[in-house]
Amino acid sequence: DQQVKQNSPSLSVQEGRISILNCDYTNSMFDYFLWYKKYPAEGPTFLISISSIKDKNEDGRFTVFLNKSAKHLSLHIVPSQPGDSAVYFCAASAEDSNYQLIWGAGTKLIIKP
Amino acid sequence: ETGVTQTPRHLVMGMTNKKSLKCEQHLGHNAMYWYKQSAKKPLELMFVYSLEERVENNSVPSRFSPECPNSSHLFLHLHTLQPEDSALYLCASSPSSGGGEDTQYFGPGTRLTVL
Repeated sequence: DQQVKQNSPSLSVQEGRISILNCDYTNSMFDYFLWYKKYPAEGPTFLISISSIKDKNEDGRFTVFLNKSAKHLSLHIVPSQPGDSAVYFCAASAEDSNYQLIWGAGTKLIIKP
Repeated sequence: ETGVTQTPRHLVMGMTNKKSLKCEQHLGHNAMYWYKQSAKKPLELMFVYSLEERVENNSVPSRFSPECPNSSHLFLHLHTLQPEDSALYLCASSPSSGGGEDTQYFGPGTRLTVL
């Protein structure tokens, strides 16, 4: 049973608009959440993270929102740029599992010109 | 060379072959990881090493054998694999293995095909 779920395998967004990628989790013990971005033929690279004591973290065009009661987090990219086309992975960790990362299956984001 | 490197980038092997995947990190990190990524599935953690000691083995079959001779190098020895083992194998490193906010840095992966 997947503890971290990304229910949209792909998402297509017009350049300049907002991209919203969603992630749901089931383990209430998760206390740290991360987003990674992956281009073809490369490994995932860290994008942004959020601790469970916060509900929002912003870094430039990227903002992550955490709704603990709904066990849901989202990544907002605004404005979307062609270079944002990639696969985005959500990951979570918990102190009681030695902070090992539990990953979602990824969402492929396509930015249309 | 910077970051995390992996060799080979692509590997095709028969079920009776023995091969090894190599990972090297140039970041001065103390923890290293092997992940398996099958198509359209989440990354699956296989092994974690901290200061050259294995601290996690997520029920991985014995046909996968990791080796960590020092904190900069990690190997995955492969023997009598099955076609379902075909996947992308990713190596990562992080400053430590137990920190909640430790970012993991990934190599480009080895695309393995078992015939």
